[in-house]
Amino acid sequence: SQKIEQNSEALNIQEGKTATLTCNYTNYSPAYLQWYRQDPGRGPVFLLLIRENEKEKRKERLKVTFDTTLKQSLFHITASQPADSATYLCARPKNSSASKIIFGSGTRLSIRP
Amino acid sequence: DVKVTQSSRYLVKRTGEKVFLECVQDMDHENMFWYRQDPGLGLRLIYFSYDVKMKEKGDIPEGYSVSREKKERFSLILESASTNQTSMYLCASSLQNSGYTFGSGTRLTVV
Repeated sequence: SQKIEQNSEALNIQEGKTATLTCNYTNYSPAYLQWYRQDPGRGPVFLLLIRENEKEKRKERLKVTFDTTLKQSLFHITASQPADSATYLCARPKNSSASKIIFGSGTRLSIRP
Repeated sequence: DVKVTQSSRYLVKRTGEKVFLECVQDMDHENMFWYRQDPGLGLRLIYFSYDVKMKEKGDIPEGYSVSREKKERFSLILESASTNQTSMYLCASSLQNSGYTFGSGTRLTVV
């Protein structure tokens, strides 16, 4: 079955630096990958979707890449702020059913002032 | 602002009780989902519905059932609550191949 892994459980960086989170997947490349933000005790919030034929996607200070050779997606937050501190989840479609997705375990990002 | 609303933020139920968790979305989405989230185990799909009266088992359906009588409402039922069902329950909805919109979650404690 398909798997999705976020290798870093936690990441601590200085305010103003770029945070880079990694998501790796197994087997065939999914049609798309998604990234979510989750704050403690709350539901995840959808941030970005990047399709297989898109190398890069941007939204304000966020940038996501999709590398089908490395089977990897990178999620960047530029000019990071303490308010960006949260857990970030990546997700991919489960098998052939594009409507169901599976989530990685998340990376807890802490931005220190 | 689009919304997925879960009826309760916190619930405490006794072992053996029948528990209903309600979820309503106002976005006319076809797909609705129930997940549970536990420390160290991440988000796990319980059930999925892609249309009214249609449902599909997720990865951990045992001990749960669902009901979708109207497009906007998706209910999760714990037939006989057990302590190992203590968890955060999250409802979500989506269009095909799109991001999910999640509710705020229901933290259920079974004593």
